[in-house]
Amino acid sequence: QVQLVQSGAEARKPGASVKLSCKASGYTFSDYYIHWVRQAPGQGLEWMGVINPLGGSTNHAQRFQGRVTLTRDTSTSAVSMELSSLRSEDTAVYYCARSDYYYDPSGHLGYFDLWGRGTLVTVSS
Amino acid sequence: QSVLTQPPSVSGAPGQRVTISCTGSGSNIGAPFDVHWYQQLPGTAPKLLIFRNNYRPSGVPDRFSGSKSGTSASLAINGLQAEDEADYYCQSYDSDLIGWVFGGGTKLTVL
Repeated sequence: QVQLVQSGAEARKPGASVKLSCKASGYTFSDYYIHWVRQAPGQGLEWMGVINPLGGSTNHAQRFQGRVTLTRDTSTSAVSMELSSLRSEDTAVYYCARSDYYYDPSGHLGYFDLWGRGTLVTVSS
Repeated sequence: QSVLTQPPSVSGAPGQRVTISCTGSGSNIGAPFDVHWYQQLPGTAPKLLIFRNNYRPSGVPDRFSGSKSGTSASLAINGLQAEDEADYYCQSYDSDLIGWVFGGGTKLTVL
C-alpha cells in the first residue's frame, strides 16, 4: 500500500526540540521528494522544507532557516524533521507529503500527491 | 499574510457553480509556475484536487476544474454537492522566497 506513515503526537516545552518521522512504503523511496507542511490550529497550510531522498539535499523556507533539520534514512525509507527552539506558535499539525518533481525552467512544478495523516505537536509550558 | 491570496470563504447552494480565485505575482504564478489545488475535509490531511493548473488526478470528479491566466488562477466547482464542503488551498512556487507557497485557504460552505 502506497502511504506515508507519520510518528505520534508530541508535547514539548518552549525552547525544546522535537523530531518527527515520516516512513514511506509501497513505492520507491528515492523516486520522490519529501516535503514538510504544517498547519496551526484554525490556520492555513505552510510549507516548511523539502528533502531529496536520493542524495539528501535539502531546502527550507527562509523563516525556518537555522531551526529545521531534515534527514533521511534510506535503509528504512524514512525522513525525519527536527524543529528546534520551539515556541508556542509552533503548535501545529505537521504533515509530510511527496512530490515526484521539483520544477523545470518552463515552470512545471512538483505537486503533492500523497500526504501523511499528520502529527500534532503541542508547545506549552 | 500569504503570498497567494484567496477569498476566506465562498458559498453556494447544491447544484450551483462556485469559483475560488488565487491571486499571486510575477515571482510565483506569473513566473510562470504551475498552480495546484488541494481539498481539505475537516480533520483530515489535504488531498490533491487539481495539478498543473487544470489536470485532475484519477478519482477526482470532472465537476472540479482549474484555470490559470497571468498572475491568477481559479478553481471552479460545478454541480455543488454537500460533500464538497471543505477548505481549498492553491499552491505554487515563489522564486523570491525560493520555496513552495500556499494560498491562505478558502472555506466552501454548501448552503
